Amino acid sequence: GEDVEQSLFLSVREGDSSVINCTYTDSSSTYLYWYKQEPGAGLQLLTYIFSNMDMKQDQRLTVLLNKKDKHLSLRIADTQTGDSAIYFCAEGYTDKLIFGTGTRLQVFP
Amino acid sequence: DVKVTQSSRYLVKRTGEKVFLECVQDMDHENMFWYRQDPGLGLRLIYFSYDVKMKEKGDIPEGYSVSREKKERFSLILESASTNQTSMYLCASSLFGGRLDEQFFGPGTRLTVL
Repeated sequence: GEDVEQSLFLSVREGDSSVINCTYTDSSSTYLYWYKQEPGAGLQLLTYIFSNMDMKQDQRLTVLLNKKDKHLSLRIADTQTGDSAIYFCAEGYTDKLIFGTGTRLQVFP
Repeated sequence: DVKVTQSSRYLVKRTGEKVFLECVQDMDHENMFWYRQDPGLGLRLIYFSYDVKMKEKGDIPEGYSVSREKKERFSLILESASTNQTSMYLCASSLFGGRLDEQFFGPGTRLTVL
């Protein structure tokens, strides 16, 4: 069945770039998403990418999609302490979204 | 802004109790979802609904039921709570549903079953 995998933890120094990776299984996914969950809150959509794109940039965020390898990544430039959160990738699958396990990003000074 | 509210942030119940988790959205969204979030497992879909009085099973519906009597309200029911249902429960809504649509989430209800 469908499966979306992420590494569980990532720790970076403030000011460095963060790269969060995700692999998915459904090659027919049309959209792939990145959601952010701050402590004590629900999820918020950060960005998304159409499956016919390779890259999408939005200010400090860069999304890369390798459709052949079914690999999605989120790069955060100049990571700040406010970026500390759990990041979920999700793939659009038929009539619902399939979420990954989430990556907890910790930013230290 | 879309607002999705959940009736409680924290809830403590005893094994065997019937538990109601309520979710309300204020943007006239057609679709509503219930997930549970557990460390290392991410979000897993319990049930979703595309319309009033309609419901569809998600990936882990066992031990749960839902009710959608009004468009803005989607309730998750634990008929007889068990300790393995201790979790964070997240409600979400979306306008069109499916893969093309952003889901808006509530803040979550952390349920502990003793």
